[in-house]
Amino acid sequence: GNSVTQMEGPVTLSEEAFLTINCTYTATGYPSLFWYVQYPGEGLQLLLKATKADDKGSNKGFEATYRKETTSFHLEKGSVQVSDSAVYFCALTSTGTASKLTFGTGTRLQVTL
Amino acid sequence: SAVISQKPSRDICQRGTSLTIQCQVDSQVTMMFWYRQQPGQSLTLIATANQGSEATYESGFVIDKFPISRPNLTFSTLTVSNMSPEDSSIYLCSVEYGVRTDTQYFGPGTRLTVL
Repeated sequence: GNSVTQMEGPVTLSEEAFLTINCTYTATGYPSLFWYVQYPGEGLQLLLKATKADDKGSNKGFEATYRKETTSFHLEKGSVQVSDSAVYFCALTSTGTASKLTFGTGTRLQVTL
Repeated sequence: SAVISQKPSRDICQRGTSLTIQCQVDSQVTMMFWYRQQPGQSLTLIATANQGSEATYESGFVIDKFPISRPNLTFSTLTVSNMSPEDSSIYLCSVEYGVRTDTQYFGPGTRLTVL
């Protein structure tokens, strides 16, 4: 079956540090890959997505590249801000599963001054 | 993307009672889903809300416990029945526009605490 594995949190960084949150997946067919972000007390927001191999999704300074050879979709940002503190979820949908999203366990990011 | 609202935003309920959560979208959508996020956990899909027919439930979730309605293309309800403290979670609806766009947008969630 489909599964998503994320690095354990929490991740604590100083402002302006470089961020990487690792995400690997197992899926049948050709999944679409997503990063969602959940700010404290709020619902999930779509951060970025990629639908085929070598696609790069980007938004708000965050990037992730769909790597089929390593089944990975790592999230990166060159310079984090305090306002980026949130929980980040990697997720996928797989062909033939009617848009069913499979989520990773989430990684909490805490950015300090 | 459209605006997705949920009511109530939070509630505290007594065990054995039921709560109905509403999800309203301000434009027509093809697909609507209900998820549960238990404290400190990831999201788990409860069911797909089908317009005009019975919802499609995921393994481990049953209609008697989580009845769902979807009377039209912009509205759905999820009822959490005969609640116990283990039902304390955030319940989120999500929507998908178009056909097989594979991208879901989430409502703000309903935070439920069962005493």
